[in-house]
Formats: sequence, C-alpha cells, structure tokens
Amino acid sequence: GENVEQHPSTLSVQEGDSAVIKCTYSDSASNYFPWYKQELGKGPQLIIDIRSNVGEKKDQRIAVTLNKTAKHFSLHITETQPEDSAVYFCAASTAAGNKLTFGGGTRVLVKP
Amino acid sequence: GAGVSQSPSNKVTEKGKDVELRCDPISGHTALYWYRQSLGQGLEFLIYFQGNSAPDKSGLPSDRFSAERTGGSVSTLTIQRTQQEDSAVYLCASSPSGGRARRGYTFGSGTRLTVV
Repeated sequence: GENVEQHPSTLSVQEGDSAVIKCTYSDSASNYFPWYKQELGKGPQLIIDIRSNVGEKKDQRIAVTLNKTAKHFSLHITETQPEDSAVYFCAASTAAGNKLTFGGGTRVLVKP
Repeated sequence: GAGVSQSPSNKVTEKGKDVELRCDPISGHTALYWYRQSLGQGLEFLIYFQGNSAPDKSGLPSDRFSAERTGGSVSTLTIQRTQQEDSAVYLCASSPSGGRARRGYTFGSGTRLTVV
C-alpha cells in the first residue's frame, strides 16, 4: 500500500519568513496530493491540492510543487503570519475521492 | 447541513464499555471515511464507504471496531469493550464520488474519546 513520509515534524519560523514542508510517497499510481491544515480542536481543512498533470500550483501565499519522477511534493508558505500556526498534513491517493494516506504531520509555529 | 457533523464532540467512557460515534456527511457525498488521530499523531485510516460497494475495512485495528452506513448517509462507528489505547480523536470525512471528486475530503470536527 501507499506510504507517505513528511518532514520536518516541527517547524518554527519568524513572522514574515517562508516555511517549507516536504513529503515523499511510495506508490507511483498516486496522482492526487492534497494538503490539510488542522487548528487546535478542529478537523483538518483542505488548503490546496495538486494533481499529477501539473508540477506547481499557487494560491496567494501558498504553493505546492510536485516531482513525480522523484515521488515527492512540497508545501511552501510565504510571508508567514501568526495565523498560519497549525499542524499541516500532506496526503496522497489515486483519485480525489478515494482513500487518502496521510503523512505524520508538521507542527508549524510562527513567532511574532 | 453545510458541513460534516459528528456527535458527540466529547465522550468519556469506562474501560470495557461499548461506545457509538455518529457521523452525518455532507448531503450528496457518496464516499465516507473514518480516521483516528491519537494525541499529537497523524491520521490513521480506519474504514471507507463508497456508495453501495462493500466497505474497505482494512484499517480497523481489531474486531472490537465496526462501522455501518445506513441508507448511504449517516454512519456509526462502534467500539466494543473499550480499552485505554482506544482513547483518541475519531474523525469522519465525506467526499463526492470517488475518482470524479474535484475537491476531495471535507472533515468533521471529530469526537474526542477518553477511556478511563
């Protein structure tokens, strides 16, 4: 089955700096890669996703890159703000509505 | 409703008791998933329902765990003879038809289960 590894497990950045989270996956059939943000006491919320037919996608301060050959994908947050502090999860599946395999999560702390 | 609704939000139970956790998915979503999140950990897949197909139960950790989905809508996760290691947040998610979904999962806020 699919295995998703996520690094780092914790990340502390100064407000205004960039944050980068990296994930690798094992199943070459995976073609859908979402990222979720989980705030304290809440369920994970989808923030951005990418499909295997593109290499990069951007939404305001958030961008995701995908390297299918190397089987890794990354989340980039620019100009970080305190409200970006949360736990972020990457995931992979063979289609958007199919079972997702999640990475272990990254706890991001943005220091004012 | 607008989102995925889970109840109860918190549940404290004594070791050995049975518990039922409920999930109301977004109307029209054919796929429903249960995940477990232990303190400070990632999301562990439990079970997946897709339409009228047989559920994928490959993530259930033991035969004490079972789930049903009635009428293709509401789902109940049942844990029998609860153990302290069952303490976790149980998350439910739903999505439109698998393979054709544009936006993937929507999660509920979870049920925090504490076994004492």
